[in-house]
Amino acid sequence: AQRVTQPEKLLSVFKGAPVELKCNYSYSGSPELFWYVQYSRQRLQLLLRHISRESIKGFTADLNKGETSFHLKKPFAQEEDSAMYYCALIGGYQKVTFGIGTKLQVIP
Amino acid sequence: EAGVAQSPRYKIIEKRQSVAFWCNPISGHATLYWYQQILGQGPKLLIQFQNNGVVDDSQLPKDRFSAERLKGVDSTLKIQPAKLEDSAVYLCASSLDPANTEAFFGQGTRLTVV
Repeated sequence: AQRVTQPEKLLSVFKGAPVELKCNYSYSGSPELFWYVQYSRQRLQLLLRHISRESIKGFTADLNKGETSFHLKKPFAQEEDSAMYYCALIGGYQKVTFGIGTKLQVIP
Repeated sequence: EAGVAQSPRYKIIEKRQSVAFWCNPISGHATLYWYQQILGQGPKLLIQFQNNGVVDDSQLPKDRFSAERLKGVDSTLKIQPAKLEDSAVYLCASSLDPANTEAFFGQGTRLTVV
């Protein structure tokens, strides 16, 4: 069975501090991993995916197969980063599994 | 381009009543998903369509939930009869195809069962 674990329900950081949102997964094959974000009163939207290896809004995420992790990082948090962040995995038969989400609160 | 449209935005019903949600995906998107998001949890996939065929409905409570996607475009999700634990936000999403592409989400329908 595939699983996504986001161990922190809430992460509070000060503006300008580094951010790391943790995501660990369980899947026997080669997963496709994503980070989705939901800003207040907005719909869920894709932030980034591991295959594109891109940086979006200053965020990056590296797939570490040895540690089965896909942590989301940003060197300097901004107030507008405050949102819910969900890690998601596409595994066997294109099945999609989301984590429970981490609320990021950036303190001014 | 227009986004994924869902209706209604909110619905309050009594337990044992029936309810239906509607979703119109982005034009040209072959894959359509219905998710259930209970407060404090991540979205849980209920059913995934590829065109008008079901790809995955392993987490759909089939004794009370049903979904269809006639003509491979818009879709309806029905609950009959509803239970208190069905209170959640029901999200519809679509993507060009299921393989590693971006899913676009609708605003969701917030269902409250009393």
